[in-house]
Amino acid sequence: DAGITQSPRHKVTETGTPVTLRCHQTENHRYMYWYRQDPGHGLRLIHYSYGVKDTDKGEVSDGYSVSRSKTEDFLLTLESATSSQTSVYFCAISESEGDTSYEQYFGPGTRLTVT
Amino acid sequence: GQNIDQPTEMTATEGAIVQINCTYQTSGFNGLFWYQQHAGEAPTFLSYNVLDGLEEKGRFSSFLSRSKGYSYLLLKELQMKDSASYLCAVKDSNYQLIWGAGTKLIIKP
Repeated sequence: DAGITQSPRHKVTETGTPVTLRCHQTENHRYMYWYRQDPGHGLRLIHYSYGVKDTDKGEVSDGYSVSRSKTEDFLLTLESATSSQTSVYFCAISESEGDTSYEQYFGPGTRLTVT
Repeated sequence: GQNIDQPTEMTATEGAIVQINCTYQTSGFNGLFWYQQHAGEAPTFLSYNVLDGLEEKGRFSSFLSRSKGYSYLLLKELQMKDSASYLCAVKDSNYQLIWGAGTKLIIKP
């Protein structure tokens, strides 16, 4: 199994509070991704990173920011949490994008509830 | 827009064969992936197709027709542990994965 951990695994927070989720990898993969998964929807890309300090927006980036100061860590921040951000958040890593056969490996997920 | 369609739910019997279909319309095509996701767990990689045809891997096979925008995942000799959601994803022209909503497969004894 790819070495990916996420913390926390579960969090309940109140509307309007800031929240930071952490993804840590031990595989030295260049690419890291943050997805959210909601019933009836496929995984939706929030932000991704293609190297240290190199990040870009995904399909559903509004209300989220990210940072990657080290290869192994990718942080997702909700500046002011809203109930619509209640979801399961998955981090994923990949060795390559251009070589299209490389799959993404997923972390265990973080279940976030905003009350 | 980009769209991946899969049936929401399917039911099959232990020991039988089941085929899960996936149709896609995306901006570009750089491969199609199938993932398995057990309830409450992370998705795990099953198969990858980039050329037309069938890829076989043990009890699981995946087929691709690029001209039809169509793929299927074939699961043989079903076991109770195959009860899970199966996710279809296409890598688009920007090398990003576009995901279907998943097919929940229920296996009955």
